[in-house]
Amino acid sequence: GAGVSQSPRYKVAKRGQDVALRCDPISGHVSLFWYQQALGQGPEFLTYFQNEAQLDKSGLPSDRFFAERPEGSVSTLKIQRTQQEDSAVYLCASSLIRRDSYGYTFGSGTRLTVV
Amino acid sequence: AQTVTQSQPEMSVQEAETVTLSCTYDTSESDYYLFWYKQPPSRQMILVIRQEAYKQQNATENRFSVNFQKAAKSFSLKISDSQLGDAAMYFCAYRSALALMYSGGGADGLTFGKGTHLIIQP
Repeated sequence: GAGVSQSPRYKVAKRGQDVALRCDPISGHVSLFWYQQALGQGPEFLTYFQNEAQLDKSGLPSDRFFAERPEGSVSTLKIQRTQQEDSAVYLCASSLIRRDSYGYTFGSGTRLTVV
Repeated sequence: AQTVTQSQPEMSVQEAETVTLSCTYDTSESDYYLFWYKQPPSRQMILVIRQEAYKQQNATENRFSVNFQKAAKSFSLKISDSQLGDAAMYFCAYRSALALMYSGGGADGLTFGKGTHLIIQP
């Protein structure tokens, strides 16, 4: 596609519910990143994929967070048993190659509200 | 770990005037990349300008330029001839060049500041 597409744009979940957030990167982009942006804050790194391999998951805040990219294109970020502190915008970004210092192309994010 | 600090939560400027947004960072590395991103209400982070630490020349992109002071670990963004469409959140970000050699520990990710809300007065 022309850009990074994320869905849904908004998600309201009841506390304890599981959610799945989708990221469709630019076609052919090798690298894919997930970030969490709390209200009034800058984005914080969650995890990184190179093709289908999850090379870095050091930013995932707990074992309730799980990300996958099984075929090296679309990625899903899953949050189990959501809690109020999970409320944030979840941003996905992709880049063509790993050795890309030009920054990434970001999607418009999914705003998750846990009530 | 690297940190990025933006000390101005909000800045206001008259249309057509010039404004400077401040950013400082802390790192023990000698090679890295610095970025300014713009985030409008649509939430998409848009790359404004980037700077490679090993380059002494300040980057420029049309009305946007940076003042990169490596010794002071300062990376400010100057917007000339401000336009209404420049109104947004602006984030300063750091990326380790080591990310190009290995993965893990968040090395591949960007470290962002908390952002500056830029208001353009018509």
